[in-house]
Amino acid sequence: QKEVEQDPGPLSVPEGAIVSLNCTYSNSAFQYFMWYRQYSRKGPELLMYTYSSGNKEDGRFTAQVDKSSKYISLFIRDSQPSDSATYLCAMIPSYNQGGKLIFGQGTELSVKP
Amino acid sequence: GAVVSQHPSWVICKSGTSVKIECRSLDFQATTMFWYRQFPKQSLMLMATSNEGSKATYEQGVEKDKFLINHASLTLSTLTVTSAHPEDSSFYICSARTGTSGYNEQFFGPGTRLTVL
Repeated sequence: QKEVEQDPGPLSVPEGAIVSLNCTYSNSAFQYFMWYRQYSRKGPELLMYTYSSGNKEDGRFTAQVDKSSKYISLFIRDSQPSDSATYLCAMIPSYNQGGKLIFGQGTELSVKP
Repeated sequence: GAVVSQHPSWVICKSGTSVKIECRSLDFQATTMFWYRQFPKQSLMLMATSNEGSKATYEQGVEKDKFLINHASLTLSTLTVTSAHPEDSSFYICSARTGTSGYNEQFFGPGTRLTVL
């Protein structure tokens, strides 16, 4: 079993839809949770970072962490064609002082005009 | 945000040759750099972690003699794929961060696409 599980999709939605992306994990020591966006043939860019449980909002993006369920989510409101990309969740356990990221497989999102 | 560059962005080489990829932090000093490889429609797989002035720490299953990593300065790390073969064809991405403990944001480079013929 992988430490971080993420549905690879692909996920296709119409413009303006609310998108929900999710990851589950098995290691209860994960403490830092990130969402990255990766456009085709580019490096990932950080979208959201959350420490421990809770919600965080940034514009059209909302990240949620439920440590009791070992489940994290990224919501995208009013999705745009420019949001079409692969979204990767990533985590770091509390004991890892080296900052090694554990990535999910990534979900490929397509927003149709 | 901080900028990380990679050079070259794309390289084609013949089987058996060596290829060097550079990763530079342009506007900050990177105490730690990471090297990843990514196959099509797959996630990033960490290959190694390097700290400036120290030997790189390789992940299990990654051949250190094949993937040579040098982190000679706080702004430059290099990955050399020695005696490359077609199975080494992949997308190689580096990242860099400041700090040595806890959470510090990793900034990713744009990646280098390696094709070995």
